[in-house]
Amino acid sequence: QLVLTQSPSASASLGASVKLTCTLSSGHNKYAIAWHQQQPEKGPRYLMKVNSDGRHNKGDGISDRFSGSSSGADRYLTISSLQSEDEADYYCQTWGTGIPGVFGGGTKLTVL
Amino acid sequence: QVQLVQSGAEVKKPGASVKVSCKASGYTFTSYGISWVRQAPGQGLEWMGWISANNGDTNSAQKFQDRVTLTTDTSTLTAYMELRSLRSDDTAVYYCARDGQYSSVDFDSWGQGTLVTVSS
Repeated sequence: QLVLTQSPSASASLGASVKLTCTLSSGHNKYAIAWHQQQPEKGPRYLMKVNSDGRHNKGDGISDRFSGSSSGADRYLTISSLQSEDEADYYCQTWGTGIPGVFGGGTKLTVL
Repeated sequence: QVQLVQSGAEVKKPGASVKVSCKASGYTFTSYGISWVRQAPGQGLEWMGWISANNGDTNSAQKFQDRVTLTTDTSTLTAYMELRSLRSDDTAVYYCARDGQYSSVDFDSWGQGTLVTVSS
C-alpha cells in the first residue's frame, strides 16, 4: 500500500533553515512526490515535484529559498532563510499507476 | 498565468446535493485533467477524484464512487464536481486542482476553494 509519512510538526528560527521529510512506504522508494504549502486560512499552493534521483521542478514563482532532494524512500523539502510567511502546513503528495491522489498527513511548520 | 476560479460557498441540508464549479484560464484546458480534493475543518487533504478534460475519463476514490460525479464543459473551460446524499461529515472546503491529462499525477495549480456546509 502506497503511504506517505510526515512528522506532524516542525519548528525553526527566523532566518534559519529547515528540512522537512516525507517518507514513502516500503517498496515505493522510486516514486516521485509533490510538495504543497498551505498558509493559515488559505488554500494549498504547489511548490515542486521531487523525483527519486533528487531532481526537482518548482512551480511558477516559487522562491529560490525552497529546494527539494531525495534519499532512498525519503523526500525532502528544504526552506532556507526562514521568513514569517513560511509558517504553514506542508503536505507531500504522490501517485502511481492505478494509485492516484495519496497525501501525507502534513507537517505544521512554526517559525520561532 | 494558470488560474482556477471556483464557485461560491454553499449551505445544504443533509440528503441534498451540491455542485461546485471550477473555471480554468491561462492554459489549454483539454491538455490537462482536474482533480478534486477536500479538507474537513482542522483536517488534512483528501483526494476525491480526477477527470481528464481531454476525453472525460474519470477515476474516483472508492469512498466517493457512488456519490460523486465529475464532468467538464470544454466550451466554457469549466469542471464540475457534484456530490450527492450529503451528510454532516461532508462539511469541508472543496478544491479543484490542475492535474494530468491521462491520469492523476501531481497537482500544479489549485483553485481558491469552496466551503460546503451541510447542516439541518
